Amino acid sequence: AQSVTQLGSHVSVSEGALVLLRCNYSSSVPPYLFWYVQYPNQGLQLLLKYTTGATLVKGINGFEAEFKKSETSFHLTKPSAHMSDAAEYFCAVSDRNNNDMRFGAGTRLTVKP
Amino acid sequence: GAGVSQSPSNKVTEKGKDVELRCDPISGHTALYWYRQSLGQGLEFLIYFQGNSAPDKSGLPSDRFSAERTGGSVSTLTIQRTQQEDSAVYLCASSFRPRQGHYNSPLHFGNGTRLTVT
Repeated sequence: AQSVTQLGSHVSVSEGALVLLRCNYSSSVPPYLFWYVQYPNQGLQLLLKYTTGATLVKGINGFEAEFKKSETSFHLTKPSAHMSDAAEYFCAVSDRNNNDMRFGAGTRLTVKP
Repeated sequence: GAGVSQSPSNKVTEKGKDVELRCDPISGHTALYWYRQSLGQGLEFLIYFQGNSAPDKSGLPSDRFSAERTGGSVSTLTIQRTQQEDSAVYLCASSFRPRQGHYNSPLHFGNGTRLTVT
């Protein structure tokens, strides 16, 4: 079955700094990859997804992620952090053979002023 | 036309009691998922429903957990003889999956039910 590993349960950056949240996946077939964000006291919402085609995917709020098959990675980045980016971020994987979507343990992003 | 609705939003129960958690998915969504979110544990897959197919129950942690989906819409997750380790946020999500093999549709999540077992 597919799985996801998120490196770093907590990441802290200064406002204006680069955000990098790491995600590695395991899948025996080409994966579908997702990043979800959970703001405080809110439900999860989709940030971006990769299915096929262009490996650099742009999402909402200036986030983007790049699918690198050779590294089995789908890291999430944003050039300049904003205070409103403070949230928990989840990487998830599914594929054309599997019914379910598997999530990583999540990374809590803190943005310091 | 709202999103996924879950009820109750909070539930406090005594150890050993049964609880039922409800999920109303987005109208027309064929796929419905239950996840459990515990502190520091991420999202743990519990069960998946797709149309009229048999559900994927591979994530249910014990036989105290069960779920059903009536009429392809509303779903109920039941936990019997609750234990303190069942305390968590239970999340429901739905998705539109037009046919087998198209699993790239994103999930739409409800706000969850926070279950506390005392």
